[in-house]
Formats: sequence, structure tokens, C-alpha cells
Amino acid sequence: AQSVTQLGSHVSVSEGALVLLRCNYSSSVPPYLFWYVQYPNQGLQLLLKYTSAATLVKGINGFEAEFKKSETSFHLTKPSAHMSDAAEYFCAVRGATGANSKLTFGKGITLSVRP
Amino acid sequence: GAGVSQTPSNKVTEKGKYVELRCDPISGHTALYWYRQSLGQGPEFLIYFQGTGAADDSGLPNDRFFAVRPEGSVSTLKIQRTERGDSAVYLCASSRTAGAPYNEQFFGPGTRLTVL
Repeated sequence: AQSVTQLGSHVSVSEGALVLLRCNYSSSVPPYLFWYVQYPNQGLQLLLKYTSAATLVKGINGFEAEFKKSETSFHLTKPSAHMSDAAEYFCAVRGATGANSKLTFGKGITLSVRP
Repeated sequence: GAGVSQTPSNKVTEKGKYVELRCDPISGHTALYWYRQSLGQGPEFLIYFQGTGAADDSGLPNDRFFAVRPEGSVSTLKIQRTERGDSAVYLCASSRTAGAPYNEQFFGPGTRLTVL
């Protein structure tokens, strides 16, 4: 079984500051890891995904995440926050094929960006 | 091209009523997923289809919930005898195939169900 833990429900940063959203996973098989973003009144949108090709993954809108097996982590970062980054962010894990095809999401983190 | 669409966008019903929620996946996507997102929570898996068949329905909370995908495209999630606890946003997603775990699941905007 797979699971993800997103510590804290709300992160607030100033515009231009570093964004760090934490995600730790638990998986009995090599995991496929994803970060999704949900803007107000919109559907979930994929930011980036880890598929074992590279440990540092670059996504859209300047976000990136690093897979660290020793720490079972896949934290999301962005060097400089923009006001438009305010949204809810979900980390998700997925196993291999068949019965493990579903995504298992964390509870999400709401990111606020202060001017 | 068109994304995943879901209808209705909002549904208000009374306790004990029957509801149907519809999902139109991206054309050509063989895998279709239903998730439920309660307030303040991440989406929770309900069921997924590979083609017409339900490949995994382990997330359906009880036998009041049922989903079909008769022609391998549009899917309908059916909830009988609705309860107030069923109130949530129901999300649908599709992907090219369930066989490649790194394939992106594309999500629809969701149906917000409110049971009074």
C-alpha cells in the first residue's frame, strides 16, 4: 500500500521568497510521485512527476521537486514565489500497474503569497 | 482539444434521493477514474475503469455507490439513498491507459454534491 504525508495544512510566504512544500511517502514498491495544483474553482492540474528517470524533476511555472529515497521525501520548491502561485497543492503516489493504478493523495497544503 | 468534462457542476439533493453524476473523458483515453474530495481533504479514490470494465472498485464506500462505463467512454457515478455524509466534490479523471503508471491523469472540474 502507498501513502503520502503532507505536514501542515497552510504555508504563507512573501512574494519573491522561497517556496517549500513538504511531502513524505510510504510505498512497498518503487513509487511514482506527483505534485498537483488546484487553483480556486478549477480542476487539479499536474505540476510535475517523478518516474525514476532523474531525481530532480522540473515542472511547470518554475516548480521543481527532488526525490530522496533515503528520506522517503519528494518536497516541492520554487525559488521565488509569485502572487499567482496561491493555490492548494497536493502530493500523490502511485504504484505500478493494475490494482495499484489509483493515485493516493495527501491532504493538501494551501499556499498563500503575501505582497 | 477538449478536456475532461463533468455534469452537472453542482447538484443539490435531499437525503434519501438518487443522483447520477456524469463524466466525459478525453477522447481516446481508455482509463477513467472517480475520486471524491471532502472539504479540507485530498481526493480519495473510488473506482477506475480500463475500457468498459471496473478494474478496481475498492474505494467505493458501500453498496449505495455504483458506476458504469458501458461503451468505454462516458461514465456515470450513481448514488442511491443519498446521505448528508455523501456531500463532497466528485472528481473524474482520465488517462491514455492505466498500464503506464507515469501517465498523467487529467482531471475534470468536478461535481459539487450537496445533500440536505
